[in-house]
Amino acid sequence: ETGVTQSPTHLIKTRGQQVTLRCSSQSGHNTVSWYQQALGQGPQFIFQYYREEENGRGNFPPRFSGLQFPNYSSELNVNALELDDSALYLCASSLWTGGRRDQPQHFGDGTRLSIL
Amino acid sequence: GDSVTQMEGPVTLSEEAFLTINCTYTATGYPSLFWYVQYPGEGLQLLLKATKADDKGSNKGFEATYRKETTSFHLEKGSVQVSDSAVYFCALSDSHRVGNQFYFGTGTSLTVIP
Repeated sequence: ETGVTQSPTHLIKTRGQQVTLRCSSQSGHNTVSWYQQALGQGPQFIFQYYREEENGRGNFPPRFSGLQFPNYSSELNVNALELDDSALYLCASSLWTGGRRDQPQHFGDGTRLSIL
Repeated sequence: GDSVTQMEGPVTLSEEAFLTINCTYTATGYPSLFWYVQYPGEGLQLLLKATKADDKGSNKGFEATYRKETTSFHLEKGSVQVSDSAVYFCALSDSHRVGNQFYFGTGTSLTVIP
């Protein structure tokens, strides 16, 4: 079974630019979530997609947006990049069957984004 | 709101020592609890989980018991190895939330020396 894959692995941008990160979910999973992990911190939930619609959002501004495609792959878009956006961005997929909270999230290795 | 508090690191142990990493949580519903491990340059890997009070999760010699009365989910291992050196994250998924977003602690770095 293919796990969660993310691209690119590293990215350098400057303030004000826009960036798109990509994720391919694990086979059989129907939700995809994005997390931001600052250096030395735990992952912070950005948002989750289910059936191509946003299905929960953390405390992140609207310049963080996403898409989920019919094949369950996903994109994270960040506009007007700021220095504080420098972090590891993790994609995670899971199988959500509604009402259950015991399904683990399966993580990719992340995209390291550096803002200069 | 939902949150997870982990014992601060870093933790340094000698090989074969006993490990405890404390984790407490706050949740408004009925959470499932998880421990994840992160090796350098990698994403998070599921280590173990427990879905209701008094459940014990275990994997690779690690154990954690879901204690509702103390809102805790402490990670333990009887004899650590050098290969256990990593960052450990406690996390919860709460039942009242739409979807299954996870809340993570700040992580505890473990270094095991030979």
